[in-house]
Parts: sequence; structure tokens; C-alpha cells
Amino acid sequence: AQTVTQSQPEMSVQEAETVTLSCTYDTSESNYYLFWYKQPPSRQMILVIRQEAYKQQNATENRFSVNFQKAAKSFSLKISDSQLGDTAMYFCAFMKVAQGAQKLVFGQGTRLTINP
Amino acid sequence: DAGITQSPRHKVTETGTPVTLRCHQTENHRYMYWYRQDPGHGLRLIHYSYGVKDTDKGEVSDGYSVSRSKTEDFLLTLESATSSQTSVYFCAISRSGAMNTEAFFGQGTRLTVV
Repeated sequence: AQTVTQSQPEMSVQEAETVTLSCTYDTSESNYYLFWYKQPPSRQMILVIRQEAYKQQNATENRFSVNFQKAAKSFSLKISDSQLGDTAMYFCAFMKVAQGAQKLVFGQGTRLTINP
Repeated sequence: DAGITQSPRHKVTETGTPVTLRCHQTENHRYMYWYRQDPGHGLRLIHYSYGVKDTDKGEVSDGYSVSRSKTEDFLLTLESATSSQTSVYFCAISRSGAMNTEAFFGQGTRLTVV
């Protein structure tokens, strides 16, 4: 079974700073996807960024980028030029590649607060 | 936004009573999921469906049952609610195919069992 671990329950930074959220995972699969989801106070789950394990290049989406270290089974999220709207719970998630249902395995979450 | 509606959005119920949560989608997606969110645990899969009348258990299925009689509706039932089932419940949907990796989530249902 796969497990996902987020070791930082809470983080807090000043607006405009860069912040990195950590995520490690354990799997015997060779082909899988990794995700970061954002959950603002509205409770909505928003996909931030996705990484395919077979791709060596780190995914980026505007101010959001990942550092994917496959051998170390590490998948951190970097938020550059942080904004007040980035305040949210962030979840790292794993999904193995398979035909059929795409079952996500989530980490415990990191609560990120951006201070003005 | 993906067309997913969960109902009710909030519910308080007493221990031992049956509770049914509804997930309705307008996207005609094949796969539907129920997750629960608890502090310190993230989201955990309860049950999922891969078609009408086709369902399977997830990681934390004890005490829950599901039904899917139509493509658009996926019901989660707590036969006899317990305080340990106090949680926020999320429905999610996804398209078929290994390359369709994005899951779309509903707004969640906060259930309190007293």
C-alpha cells in the first residue's frame, strides 16, 4: 500500500516570501502521478499542480513549482512571491497509473498561512 | 467548475440513526468516490464506483455502504451513525482512462454525530 507523509502540520510566512512544503511518499510502483491540492477556508479542493513520475522535468504552474526527487521519493511544493490568497490547507496526493478508478492517497495536510 | 453537488452541506444527527449523503454530478463521468477528511489524516477513501451498480471498498469502508443506481447519483449511507463518523465528507468524480488523472471534488458535507 502507498503512504504519503507531510511532516509540517503548519507553516507561516510573510507575503511575497517563498515557501516550500514538504511531502514524502512510499510506493513500490514505478509509474504513478503526484499532486498538490489546495483547500482554502471555503473547503473546495483545488488542483494546484500535477507531476508524472516518468517525467524528469519538474512541473511548474505560474508561481507554483515542484521539486520531484523520484529516488528519494520526495515531492515538495514551492510557492514563490506568496500572496494572501495562498492561505489554505495543502495536501500532497499519490495515484498509481492504472486503468480504472483513479484512487488518490493523501497526506495529512499542511496548513499554510500567509501574513500581510 | 465541475458539476458536482453534495447534499446536505451540513447535518447534525444522533448516534444510532441512519444517515444518507448524496452526490449528484452533471458531467456523466464514469467514476465516483467518497472520501472523508479528518484532522491529521488528510482525505481517506471510503468507497468508490466504476459504473452503475458497480462499487468497491476503499481504505476506511467499515460502517458505510454505498449505492449507485444512476450514473449521476452516488449515495453514501451510514446505517447507524457513531461519533467516530463525525467528519467532513467529500464526493469526487473522474473520467475513465488511465490518462485522465484529474479528480473533481464537491464542496463537502460536514456531518456531526452527537
